[in-house]
Amino acid sequence: DGGITQSPKYLFRKEGQNVTLSCEQNLNHDAMYWYRQDPGQGLRLIYYSQIVNDFQKGDIAEGYSVSREKKESFPLTVTSAQKNPTAFYLCASSISGGGESSNQPQHFGDGTRLSIL
Amino acid sequence: EDQVTQSPEALRLQEGESSSLNCSYTVSGLRGLFWYRQDPGKGPEFLFTLYSAGEEKEKERLKATLTKKESFLHITAPKPEDSATYLCAVQASSTDSWGKLQFGAGTQVVVTP
Repeated sequence: DGGITQSPKYLFRKEGQNVTLSCEQNLNHDAMYWYRQDPGQGLRLIYYSQIVNDFQKGDIAEGYSVSREKKESFPLTVTSAQKNPTAFYLCASSISGGGESSNQPQHFGDGTRLSIL
Repeated sequence: EDQVTQSPEALRLQEGESSSLNCSYTVSGLRGLFWYRQDPGKGPEFLFTLYSAGEEKEKERLKATLTKKESFLHITAPKPEDSATYLCAVQASSTDSWGKLQFGAGTQVVVTP
């Protein structure tokens, strides 16, 4: 079954600690995305990647970092510089991020809920 | 700046009571409008894409329509299993918004038996 797997489902961060959220997809999609969801707000884009070894900042990239070394994987690190990390983090992918296929839908994983200890 | 506004914020329906959700948008050229359903603690599930004014899509009790300024998601004779938060997102056609979706805050729908 093709899909997007995010792990862990729940994550707790201590002050001063970096944590990494995993996102794996087996849909053979080129583009991948990370969003943050807070209550009462729309999803906000953190980072996106059109292709392996390339990624771009979204609207709220400060305090986060990503890598895209494999097509299937797009991990997100929440660094200690992110002062308000408590949120629901969603990873998504789409067939392509640019060109004629850029208006294809994004498909989402089931999220990771990050809380502060 | 691209903006997406969904209304109402919350909607409580009796089973069988049809209603509509609104998604108003302001973008510099629309490349696509997307509807998603999100259950608590889960990721959004893709429902529909609409590309041009006048377009309509249907799936079971849901029907999405699009005008130049807004989209409606009509829920006909809803059942309790239609309870969820419905999200609207738009993609602008400007070159610096590649692949980017602008999401509304969602409409939380509760359908009671």
